[in-house]
Amino acid sequence: QVQLVESGGGVVQPGRSLRLSCAASGFTFRTYGIHWVRQAPGKGLEWVAVILSDGINEYYTDSVKGRFAVSRDNSKNTAYLQMNSLRPEDTAVYYCARFGAGLDNWGQGALVTVSS
Amino acid sequence: DIQMTQSPSSLSASVGDTVTINCQASQSINTYVNWYQQKPGTVPKVLIYAAFNLQSGVPSRFSGSGSGTDFTLTISSLQPEDFATYYCQQSHSPPYTFGQGTKLEIK
Repeated sequence: QVQLVESGGGVVQPGRSLRLSCAASGFTFRTYGIHWVRQAPGKGLEWVAVILSDGINEYYTDSVKGRFAVSRDNSKNTAYLQMNSLRPEDTAVYYCARFGAGLDNWGQGALVTVSS
Repeated sequence: DIQMTQSPSSLSASVGDTVTINCQASQSINTYVNWYQQKPGTVPKVLIYAAFNLQSGVPSRFSGSGSGTDFTLTISSLQPEDFATYYCQQSHSPPYTFGQGTKLEIK
């Protein structure tokens, strides 16, 4: 069955970096775009970024442009979200999700807390 | 960027009711809209993709309609398990924005 598993979350000080991983299984990873969506505590869903199946095209929401970077390693069936210059407002649960019929499969989420 | 304006932000209804949730895009997005349901403490789940296509395994009481800028999610004959928060999302062009969410509560 399709599975996405995030890892790498944790508590980090403002200005520091963190890298999330999204390990995929149960489908042909290289043929799907992988999206990152976050949800701050008690708030709604916010789309963050995507890396398309070609591994070349990537897009970001304005608030993370220049700070976050997505990548993927199709040989490892894994996508990454590199988060630099983290801010308190980046505190959220971060989900990776596969785009098939909409975002049809999601990981369980990784909590990132940015606090001094 | 395309803005998705969802209404209402909250909704109170009873089991057996029919409810509609609306989403308006700031520009035409054809039928590139998806609808998600999220229950507290759980991962979002896609209900409808590309405006009116029911995701596999989703009950037929959920339906989607619309094209261009105006979209609707309809839930017929509400069941207890339908009380949740619903989000629309545009997949026309990046950034692939979500609506603000509609919290459906039991009356």
